[in-house]
Amino acid sequence: EDQVTQSPEALRLQEGESSSLNCSYTVSGLRGLFWYRQDPGKGPEFLFTLYSAGEEKEKERLKATLTKKESFLHITAPKPEDSATYLCAVLGGANSKLTFGKGITLSVRP
Amino acid sequence: NAGVTQTPKFQVLKTGQSMTLQCAQDMNHNSMYWYRQDPGMGLRLIYYSASEGTTDKGEVPNGYNVSRLNKREFSLRLESAAPSQTSVYFCASGPGYEQYFGPGTRLTVT
Repeated sequence: EDQVTQSPEALRLQEGESSSLNCSYTVSGLRGLFWYRQDPGKGPEFLFTLYSAGEEKEKERLKATLTKKESFLHITAPKPEDSATYLCAVLGGANSKLTFGKGITLSVRP
Repeated sequence: NAGVTQTPKFQVLKTGQSMTLQCAQDMNHNSMYWYRQDPGMGLRLIYYSASEGTTDKGEVPNGYNVSRLNKREFSLRLESAAPSQTSVYFCASGPGYEQYFGPGTRLTVT
């Protein structure tokens, strides 16, 4: 059974204070790892897909990286508008369904 | 291009009542999904449809039925609502395993 653990559960940063969000996974044959952003009261918004260890993707202040056991979402010089819950999901083995983590709630203070 | 739309946005039901949640996408995606999101539980897959005319159970299908009406529309039916079905329901669609989510339906069963 695929498993995804995200840490920490919540993170509070000062504006401009860079940090990283962690997504650890256990899967039989990773076929893809997905990052989403979710604002309160809204549906998740797709950010990135990573397919193999060593792969990196960037979008504005966000950079996602992938190893064989975990993924990091690095946030550089965050702004208050980056405050949201960030979800990680994996697709593994013969599954045709994503397994989601519980999410990390990021709060950025001005 | 509206993306994924869901109706209604909010609904209150009494135990035992039935209702159908509607979902439509205009991105010509083959795959469509229904999830529920509960505090501390993350997103859990209820049912999915890999293509028009096919549906499969997800992680938590009990108490629900689905219909893939055509390529655009995928509905979720609660035949006899129970308080345990109080949740936020999200529909998603995707060309492959990347998924694009609707705004959600907040359902309360009293």
